[in-house]
Order: sequence, then structure tokens, then C-alpha cells
Amino acid sequence: KAGVTQTPRYLIKTRGQQVTLSCSPISGHRSVSWYQQTPGQGLQFLFEYFSETQRNKGNFPGRFSGRQFSNSRSEMNVSTLELGDSALYLCASSRRPGTGNIQETQYFGPGTRLLVL
Amino acid sequence: AQSVTQLDSHVSVSEGTPVLLRCNYSSSYSPSLFWYVQHPNKGLQLLLKYTSAATLVKGINGFEAEFKKSETSFHLTKPSAHMSDAAEYFCVVRSTGANNLFFGTGTRLTVIP
Repeated sequence: KAGVTQTPRYLIKTRGQQVTLSCSPISGHRSVSWYQQTPGQGLQFLFEYFSETQRNKGNFPGRFSGRQFSNSRSEMNVSTLELGDSALYLCASSRRPGTGNIQETQYFGPGTRLLVL
Repeated sequence: AQSVTQLDSHVSVSEGTPVLLRCNYSSSYSPSLFWYVQHPNKGLQLLLKYTSAATLVKGINGFEAEFKKSETSFHLTKPSAHMSDAAEYFCVVRSTGANNLFFGTGTRLTVIP
């Protein structure tokens, strides 16, 4: 079974531009989460999508947005890029969202490394 | 609120010696805890997870972790380090009733030949 795939793997943008990153979950997985990894802030949760709906959102400004398609593929968009947005963006998928005591293991993709100049 | 604290930012061991990576958690409820590993320029790989079925959890590549409620700890151990174990290790707690994960700051493991 193929793992989580993310495209592109590397990206260079300039301040003020916008960027769209893509994530394809493991086949059969319907929940997709996004995380940002930076040396200063570590790994932080961005948002989670399930059935094309955003279920949870982390503490990020509105410039960060996402969506999920009917085939569970997800995209995240960052508008008006800032230097501080340079990071590794990781996507993770699970069969369904964790609720209550139900534990759903999240499987991570290799990430998209974004550099903002 | 859930959180985890990794007590060491960097651990260095000799090949063939035991590994101990320490993690304390904070949670109002019975936590869902994980250990992930990240090799350079790679994504995160799940090592093991605590499911409350057993306090001693065995993971991949010979790693295991013990959940100790009295000490609020979930330390990761391995009897004998291998060169391929050199990586960044993250202790993680899942938000109650949701799927978002809270990561520790990571412990970089160096294995000396």
C-alpha cells in the first residue's frame, strides 16, 4: 500500500506570494492533518480535514487555509507569504478522526520544504 | 490541556549500549501517547503508541516504552543502540477527543561507533 505522498517536495517563493501544497493520503484514509515544522517552534498542528470539512484548527493566522476533496486528497494554501513561513510542512493521514477514546494512528508523508525569500 | 516535555534535547550513546529517551506528559485524562522518529530529510515514522491495554509497549526496531501514571512518564528505551538509530525522536500526545497531535521539542540521538 502506498504511503502518504506530498507534492512538491521543495519549493522556493518570495515574500508576498502565495503557495499551494498537495497531500494524497493512504488509500482508504479519510482524515488528513497538516503540521508545520520549524527549528524555532518545532512541530505545530495546522488543521485537520475529514469528509471535506475542517474539524480542527491550530493557532495560525487566516493566511493559512486548506481544503479536502471528495477523494480525500487535501491541499493547503498560504497567502501573502512571510519569511517566517519557511518550514517543512507535513501531512498526515488516518482512517478517520480520533474521537473520544478511539485512537487513530496518523501516518506522515515526507513533507514539503518551503523556503520564502 | 495536553502537553509533553522531552527532558533531553540531545542524547549521545555508543553503539551497542542502551538508549533512554525521556518524556513526561501532562494530561487531564488518560492520554494517548506516541513516539515518532524522524531521520534527516525524511518524514515522521511511528515507533510505538500507548493504547492503555498494557503499560509496556513494544514498537518497531527493538524500541519499547513504559507508561508510568504515577510518574507521568513515557520513556523510550532500546537495549542496544545501532548506528541506524541516529535520528530525531518525538514524544507526542493526542488531543482528547480530536486527532491533532502535540509534539515535544524532540531529542536528537547520536550513536557513536
